[in-house]
Amino acid sequence: NAGVTQTPKFQVLKTGQSMTLQCAQDMNHEYMSWYRQDPGMGLRLIHYSVGAGITDQGEVPNGYNVSRSTTEDFPLRLLSAAPSQTSVYFCASSQTSGTIHGYTFGSGTRLTVV
Amino acid sequence: EDKVVQSPLSLVVHEGDTVTLNCSYEVTNFRSLLWYKQEKKAPTFLFMLTSSGIEKKSGRLSSILDKKELFSILNITATQTGDSAIYLCAVGLRRGGATNKLIFGTGTLLAVQP
Repeated sequence: NAGVTQTPKFQVLKTGQSMTLQCAQDMNHEYMSWYRQDPGMGLRLIHYSVGAGITDQGEVPNGYNVSRSTTEDFPLRLLSAAPSQTSVYFCASSQTSGTIHGYTFGSGTRLTVV
Repeated sequence: EDKVVQSPLSLVVHEGDTVTLNCSYEVTNFRSLLWYKQEKKAPTFLFMLTSSGIEKKSGRLSSILDKKELFSILNITATQTGDSAIYLCAVGLRRGGATNKLIFGTGTLLAVQP
């Protein structure tokens, strides 16, 4: 049972480049979310999804797009990377009933934009 | 605006000490409060609290929620060097019939010295 799988683990981008952070879960979880973690800022919610075909914005959505075409996958797209998007990104998922069992987190993607 | 505040921001103790970490919140539609431990990578789930006054316990860790005063504490007794980590508090928000958002505090960095 792989849980939540994030790829890549590390990435360096130049300003203006685009890329997609991948997130996949094999637990049939309805809810999936993307967070970014910056020093002194804790985890901040970027986008989340309550099921296939449904997404919504979190606290810091600007500069990021998401889609949820299947239950398993929830990719995060950076259309034009900026140095302010240098961060560690975590994908998380939870069961249909929400946070009854807490979120399961992926191992993170460390992104540097130069 | 939904807000979760943790204190202290950081803490250094010696092995064997007892520590208390604090989490206060101001949110709409509170559903649950969760504690996570983050070592090198992804946060791992510790406790979820939904009712006031009921202590959750796991080994040397325990936690309790006060929904009237809007705070929770996480206690760690007889600390060990392996307890060194960032401890994150998160509040689950109710949206319709189920929770689908977690708002995190900035975390408390605990360092346990031998």
